[in-house]
Amino acid sequence: EEQLLESGGGLVQPGGSLRLSCVASGFSLSTFAMTWVRQAPGKGLEWASSISGSGRTTYYADSVKGRFSISRDYSQNTLYLQIISLRAEDTAVYYCAKGGTHQPLLSSFDLWGQGTLVTVSS
Amino acid sequence: IQMTQSPSSLSASVGDRVTITCRASQDIRNDLAWYQQKPGKAPKRLIYAASSLQSGVPSRFTGSGSGTEFTLTISSLQPEDFATYYCLQHNLYPLTFGQGTKVEIK
Repeated sequence: EEQLLESGGGLVQPGGSLRLSCVASGFSLSTFAMTWVRQAPGKGLEWASSISGSGRTTYYADSVKGRFSISRDYSQNTLYLQIISLRAEDTAVYYCAKGGTHQPLLSSFDLWGQGTLVTVSS
Repeated sequence: IQMTQSPSSLSASVGDRVTITCRASQDIRNDLAWYQQKPGKAPKRLIYAASSLQSGVPSRFTGSGSGTEFTLTISSLQPEDFATYYCLQHNLYPLTFGQGTKVEIK
């Protein structure tokens, strides 16, 4: 059974940093594009970043460009999101999601993790 | 690409037919999916490629449209369908979601 399990969220002060992890099981990360989507409390879904199956291509929303970095470790079958210079508006549940193909645009997300909450506050 | 979803909320009864619409600001072919989200849970894909039903999803859910106008229809609303629904376009970066439609019990 395919599953995604996020971790790494928590309470962070403004300006701080965090690394979120998403462990995949039941499939290989190298075959599929992966994406991070976030959802601020009581708000809608917002796409943050995607990475191709090969890992060679990454994409970022303008709101996170320069502060977020998406990567993957094939040996650990794990997706990461490194976040620096955290702001209050980054407070959200962060979901990792699996695409249906190796390129992010070619398919929507068919599998989501349960999410990890990041709270940015002093 | 802006995705304009309507209505933002609706009240309906069990057995009602419900229609939710997403309008794209430019042609996205059929690069659209529909998701259902219940409180405290991750989104679940219902429809992909605008009109293809995700495996395991009841057939009362149907998607239609292409280009700029898309519709999600629930033919006979069931108690477990009360949730928030989102459309997603994956034609161009940045990927964008509709604002969501909250379906509530009348």
